[in-house]
Amino acid sequence: AQKITQTQPGMFVQEKEAVTLDCTYDTSDPSYGLFWYKQPSSGEMIFLIYQGSYDQQNATEGRYSLNFQKARKSANLVISASQLGDSAMYFCAMREGSRYNFNKFYFGSGTKLNVKP
Amino acid sequence: DSGVTQTPKHLITATGQRVTLRCSPRSGDLSVYWYQQSLDQGLQFLIQYYNGEERAKGNILERFSAQQFPDLHSELNLSSLELGDSALYFCASSLLADNEQFFGPGTRLTVL
Repeated sequence: AQKITQTQPGMFVQEKEAVTLDCTYDTSDPSYGLFWYKQPSSGEMIFLIYQGSYDQQNATEGRYSLNFQKARKSANLVISASQLGDSAMYFCAMREGSRYNFNKFYFGSGTKLNVKP
Repeated sequence: DSGVTQTPKHLITATGQRVTLRCSPRSGDLSVYWYQQSLDQGLQFLIQYYNGEERAKGNILERFSAQQFPDLHSELNLSSLELGDSALYFCASSLLADNEQFFGPGTRLTVL
């Protein structure tokens, strides 16, 4: 089974609207961390947001928020007020294991977001 | 600019050869990670070092090896290169072993 699943290969959103990028994960470890990264066409990977498995509240970082639904094993990224500069590939990732004793990282296949003016 | 540097930016070599990719983490970061991004495999975690010691291992081939030096920079050695090793290799660093990672610009390896 895939550890991280991103079911939306590509998405379009109108500028200034909000968009949700889906991510589901699979782990039996009670300790894990979830990450979202942005990869613009220039190729660099940019960290956006992090959610720990024991965090009670959804993580937020500026226009980014992570909709963490533990029972559903989903960690969707919400981008509010989309900007043209948000056009990029977005990757969901998971660290499996605790902060101090973990195994490896897994990345999803990515979602290409296009923001239309 | 993430503060992570990788050299070289581009590398073109032939099958069977050996190359070394270098990574300097952000100032103060103790942990270094290596990733391979290819069109068919996506982004794959290879290996992680924390303060000089191997910490976690992912899908790293036996032909590949890495190390982290006392000054915390890291090198990824790829040997007996095959066409399928052509990819973008990222290094990332973080303060501790589990924090969010900051990625370098990557080294694009082309094996001909």
